[in-house]
Amino acid sequence: AQTIHQWPVAEIKAVGSPLSLGCTIKGKSSPNLYWYWQATGGTLQQLFYSITVGQVESVVQLNLSASRPKDDQFILSTEKLLLSHSGFYLCAWSRTGEGDTQYFGPGTRLLVL
Amino acid sequence: GDQVEQSPSALSLHEGTDSALRCNFTTTMRSVQWFRQNSRGSLISLFYLASGTKENGRLKSAFDSKERRYSTLHIRDAQLEDSGTYFCAAMQQGTGSKLSFGKGAKLTVSP
Repeated sequence: AQTIHQWPVAEIKAVGSPLSLGCTIKGKSSPNLYWYWQATGGTLQQLFYSITVGQVESVVQLNLSASRPKDDQFILSTEKLLLSHSGFYLCAWSRTGEGDTQYFGPGTRLLVL
Repeated sequence: GDQVEQSPSALSLHEGTDSALRCNFTTTMRSVQWFRQNSRGSLISLFYLASGTKENGRLKSAFDSKERRYSTLHIRDAQLEDSGTYFCAAMQQGTGSKLSFGKGAKLTVSP
């Protein structure tokens, strides 16, 4: 069975500080991977997706970047946090190819002060 | 503009009653997925549809196969544990893997 893990569970960070959020998928080779952001009480917005190692497509940047250093790992980062980065970050995976069910991780809550 | 219009935005039900949520799409969609978000924020996938209908227990979802411009989620015999926020998300033809979400519907089931 596939499992998806996100770290950290929650973060409180200062404006201007760097950020790195991680996502790991176990039990599935070559998954499509996605990052989503949800403002408090809001809807979800897709930020990035990746279909293979080293390849990341940006959907909405929000002054963030993403990388896929390994087949099972997806990293979301920025060098300087903004207040507007606060929210809930979700990682998801789907099978290779377009148009398939996406499965979500438990998420990371981020508060920027 | 928003490609996915979800309604209602909030809904209160008594246990045992039935209801439906709907998502309209401003353009033709390839597929739709329905999720429930629990209090911790986890998104649970309920249905994925490329066409037709699917049923799972007290939940049933349909995706308009002809025009591909709307989808519904029916909840039968609502239970307290059905409370949560329900999202639909749709994928447009030819957009790679971009999933566009509705704004969610907060469902509260009371005794």
